[in-house]
Amino acid sequence: AQKVTQAQTEISVVEKEDVTLDCVYETRDTTYYLFWYKQPPSGELVFLIRRNSFDEQNEISGRYSWNFQKSTSSFNFTITASQVVDSAVYFCALSEARDDKIIFGKGTRLHILP
Amino acid sequence: NAGVTQTPKFRILKIGQSMTLQCTQDMNHNYMYWYRQDPGMGLKLIYYSVGAGITDKGEVPNGYNVSRSTTEDFPLRLELAAPSQTSVYFCASSYLRGPETQYFGPGTRLLVL
Repeated sequence: AQKVTQAQTEISVVEKEDVTLDCVYETRDTTYYLFWYKQPPSGELVFLIRRNSFDEQNEISGRYSWNFQKSTSSFNFTITASQVVDSAVYFCALSEARDDKIIFGKGTRLHILP
Repeated sequence: NAGVTQTPKFRILKIGQSMTLQCTQDMNHNYMYWYRQDPGMGLKLIYYSVGAGITDKGEVPNGYNVSRSTTEDFPLRLELAAPSQTSVYFCASSYLRGPETQYFGPGTRLLVL
C-alpha cells in the first residue's frame, strides 16, 4: 500500500536559515513518482517538483533542492537562505505508475520568522 | 487560459441540505480529481475521473457523488450535508494518469452547521 509520512508537523526558523523538510514514503512498486507541493496562506496548491523512481539525481532550483534516496525511501526538501515568503504548508506526495491516484502526506507547516 | 476554476469559494450549509461544488478546467485534461483537506491534514481523494463518462471512487467517497458529462466539467455533489463534511475541497486535473503533474483549483471552503 502507498503511504507518505511527513513527521514534522510544524517548523519555525529565522529568516536566512536553511531548513529541510522530511518525507518518507512506502510503496511496493518499482516504478513510482514523488511530488512536492506548496500551499501558501492564500490556500492554493502550487506544484514544485516531480521525480520518478529511476532518477536519483538530486535537483536544485534556485534556493530549493531535493534529495531523493531510494535506500531510505526518502525525498527530502531543503530551502536555503529561507525567506518570509517561503512560509507555507508543504506537501509531499506519491503516485505509483500503475495507479491513477496521488497520495499526499499530512504536510509540514513552515514558519519563516523575520 | 484560466486553468482549474472552482465555485463557490465559500459556502455555509445546514445539516441535511444538498449542494453541488463546481469544477471546470480549460486545459483539455482527461483526468480530474476531487480532494478534501481537513484542518492540519493532507489531501484525501474523494473521486476521480479518467475521461468523460468515467468516474471512480477514491479514498473517502461516502456522502458524495460525481458525474463527468464533458471533458471540462467535474461537479461534486453532496446530497445530505453532515458536519463531518466541513472541509476545504480542491479540484485538480492532469493530462495523463496519476504520475503526471496535477494542477489544482483555488479550493472551496465548506462549513456545515
